[in-house]
Amino acid sequence: GAVVSQHPSRVICKSGTSVKIECRSLDFQATTMFWYRQFPKQSLMLMATSNEGSKATYEQGVEKDKFLINHASLTLSTLTVTSAHPEDSSFYICSASSLAGAYEQYFGPGTRLTVT
Amino acid sequence: KQEVTQIPAALSVPEGENLVLNCSFTDSAIYNLQWFRQDPGKGLTSLLLIQSSQREQTSGRLNASLDKSSGRSTLYIAASQPGDSATYLCAVEYGNKLVFGAGTILRVKS
Repeated sequence: GAVVSQHPSRVICKSGTSVKIECRSLDFQATTMFWYRQFPKQSLMLMATSNEGSKATYEQGVEKDKFLINHASLTLSTLTVTSAHPEDSSFYICSASSLAGAYEQYFGPGTRLTVT
Repeated sequence: KQEVTQIPAALSVPEGENLVLNCSFTDSAIYNLQWFRQDPGKGLTSLLLIQSSQREQTSGRLNASLDKSSGRSTLYIAASQPGDSATYLCAVEYGNKLVFGAGTILRVKS
């Protein structure tokens, strides 16, 4: 149980385009989803927290107009990187939690974004 | 500021050796502490979760301890195997927010 998927696993896009990454909880309803970013050989940095049906709460320094987060259902959250630039290239990981799971976070496999 | 530090940053050991990974945190008002494994280019696999009221957790060859008052946790791996090679991340939960350390890259040589 407690499986989280991400799609796509890898994406390459051109500078200036937008990219959408999906995060799904496959076998549970996730009241809260989290988006993290990981640079090479560095730790995961929390970008934002989203609750179903509410606006996401962004961490300090994260541009909410650049990283659009939508959590429209209890099993799906999306992260859209708008007008991507090479410095947005990174590994993006989502996690999901629920009351039933005592709010333990279950992590997706990650999405490698490369902006050329 | 809530910070999590992991030492060493990298570790290379021969197969069969017992080893200890260290994690320290600046704010002791934690909800729980979790150790994860991350293989290259992959997501996170949860290894052990220690609630703030607990002092240790064990799973197979892994044992994690927690000393909240001193702000430290250790992950002990017994009889290491090449398949244990990965990055090990320590994460401390404050409220519903996880703060991660930078990880320890472990290489077990056969």
